[in-house]
Order: sequence, then structure tokens, then C-alpha cells
Amino acid sequence: GQQLNQSPQSMFIQEGEDVSMNCTSSSIFNTWLWYKQDPGEGPVLLIALYKAGELTSNGRLTAQFGITRKDSFLNISASIPSDVGIYFCAGQGVSGGGADGLTFGKGTHLIIQP
Amino acid sequence: EAGVAQSPRYKIIEKRQSVAFWCNPISGHATLYWYQQILGQGPKLLIQFQNNGVVDDSQLPKDRFSAERLKGVDSTLKIQPAKLEDSAVYLCASGVADTEAFFGQGTRLTVV
Repeated sequence: GQQLNQSPQSMFIQEGEDVSMNCTSSSIFNTWLWYKQDPGEGPVLLIALYKAGELTSNGRLTAQFGITRKDSFLNISASIPSDVGIYFCAGQGVSGGGADGLTFGKGTHLIIQP
Repeated sequence: EAGVAQSPRYKIIEKRQSVAFWCNPISGHATLYWYQQILGQGPKLLIQFQNNGVVDDSQLPKDRFSAERLKGVDSTLKIQPAKLEDSAVYLCASGVADTEAFFGQGTRLTVV
């Protein structure tokens, strides 16, 4: 089946630093999404990317959909304590019959040191 | 707007026992998903419903897992019998076609 390789697995940074994480796939996806998951909660969508090459921002977050449709990155600028959590990339392909479930990466655990 | 509701939040059972999880999606959402999230990993899709029909259950271990959405609203996921490796968080998500899916808080299952 499809697999997503997400890196890094974890990041230890100082408050105020910028963060970058990325995701690569062995398969093409039509949509890339980035989620954040806090402890005891379900994933929450941060950014959705629908076109190859698309660069999208949401506040301090910026994400890009790779030209090859097999990769994506997420940048967080000027990190703050509430950015702590696990970030997941997810790809959505197109299968017959309307199946559009997500394939998730293993996550990047972001830890911010004050 | 109320979010996706799941219950119970936590469940501890012994191996070989049965367990069921319940999900109430956001009102009006035709699509419902069940995901399994093992500790340290991303969620993995188990099954997708469109109204009361199954769209994709290719990753559902059908020898022990079953799911239904009889009236196209609430859904139940059952495991019978449970194994140790079924310990995970079971996430329900709902959405409207071609838009984002919203996740519930999940049910944390521990099999001992």
C-alpha cells in the first residue's frame, strides 16, 4: 500500500525559531493535507493543498504541494509554546467509487524549549 | 456546531473479549470514516461509509472487525475477539464530499 515518509520524527527548538518538516511518498496524491494533534484529541486540519506546486499560508504556517505530487513541506515561522504537538502529513488519492480516505505519515513531534 | 461525538473515551478489556465503539457524526455529513491510530503512528483508515453504504473497507481486518451505519447517521465499530495488538486509539471522522473531514476525540482501547 501507499506509504508516507515524514521527517524529522521529532524536533527540539527554542521559542521564536522557525520550523520545517516534510513528507515524501512513493505514490502520487491529488491532495496533501497537514494536521496537528494535541494529546487526547483528534487531528485538526491546518492546511490543505489541492494543486501541484501550490504554496499556501495560514498565519505563521506555510505549506507547499510538490511539483511531482509526491512530496510536501510545512514551515512554521516564529514558533510559540502553543505550537507544541504532533504534526501529520496526509495524502488523499483518487480511487474508484468515491473512496477518499487519508494516508497519514508517522508524525513529527514538535517540542519547544522556552 | 457540535463536533464528531465518540464514546466511550476509554476502554480496557481482556484479550478475546468483545468491544464496541460508537460515533455520532456532524449533522448533515454523509461521509463517515473509522481510523485506527497505534501509539507513535499516524491514523490508518479502517473503513469509509457514504450514507449507509461502505465505500472502502480494504484495510479492515474483517475476521475480527465489523462496522455498520444502518441509518446513515450514527456508526458502530466492533472488535470480536480482541487481540493485544488492537490496543490503539480509534478515531471517527465525518465530512461532506470533496471537503475536509473533521475528527472526533477518539476512543482509547487497551487490551490486556
